[in-house]
Amino acid sequence: DTEVTQTPKHLVMGMTNKKSLKCEQHMGHRAMYWYKQKAKKPPELMFVYSYEKLSINESVPSRFSPECPNSSLLNLHLHALQPEDSALYLCASSQTVWGVEGVVTEAFFGQGTRLTVV
Amino acid sequence: AQSVTQPDIHITVSEGASLELRCNYSYGATPYLFWYVQSPGQGLQLLLKYFSGDTLVQGIKGFEAEFKRSQSSFNLRKPSVHWSDAAEYFCAVGENEAAGNKLTFGGGTRVLVKP
Repeated sequence: DTEVTQTPKHLVMGMTNKKSLKCEQHMGHRAMYWYKQKAKKPPELMFVYSYEKLSINESVPSRFSPECPNSSLLNLHLHALQPEDSALYLCASSQTVWGVEGVVTEAFFGQGTRLTVV
Repeated sequence: AQSVTQPDIHITVSEGASLELRCNYSYGATPYLFWYVQSPGQGLQLLLKYFSGDTLVQGIKGFEAEFKRSQSSFNLRKPSVHWSDAAEYFCAVGENEAAGNKLTFGGGTRVLVKP
């Protein structure tokens, strides 16, 4: 199983709503990521979790709050978003952080959640 | 800081013709290099990767890429394109930070396939 599963596939939310994006992998990967992709642009890294601890936060606004409840799950909690936050949110995972135990592996991406903020 | 440049925003190719997508990177150390493909509204699928060793890398779907350190390039090629290859292609360079892995993507090249 080399799959990263994201739910929901589509989400429309108002600017006062609170919602969560979910990501799940069962490959035993210990590094998980959130990326944001605007239309016709490349993905941009938001957060990295390594061994269930937040290791990189790319200066993301606090209205985005990541959570890693266990090694298989990654959530992104959304609150008071703005219309400009509308984008495709991609989750990814990789075996580990590069360099740990000499391992370098690729990142596997989910299909994404298409978020529209109205 | 690392960066990736994909000079071609769009490429149109006839079905059955060859395809080459250019990628140039800027990174001080030996880079980890990747090519991903993305169909509309979908996630990213890894085509191939280069970490070390043989500079000609074979990937899935008949793609290959060649790492040229002297030119800081990692161009993607396919000898004969199929209509299903129409998609967005992203070159990416990976950086191993103490805090974790960072992938920096190029701007992407959209490939259109003519029948």
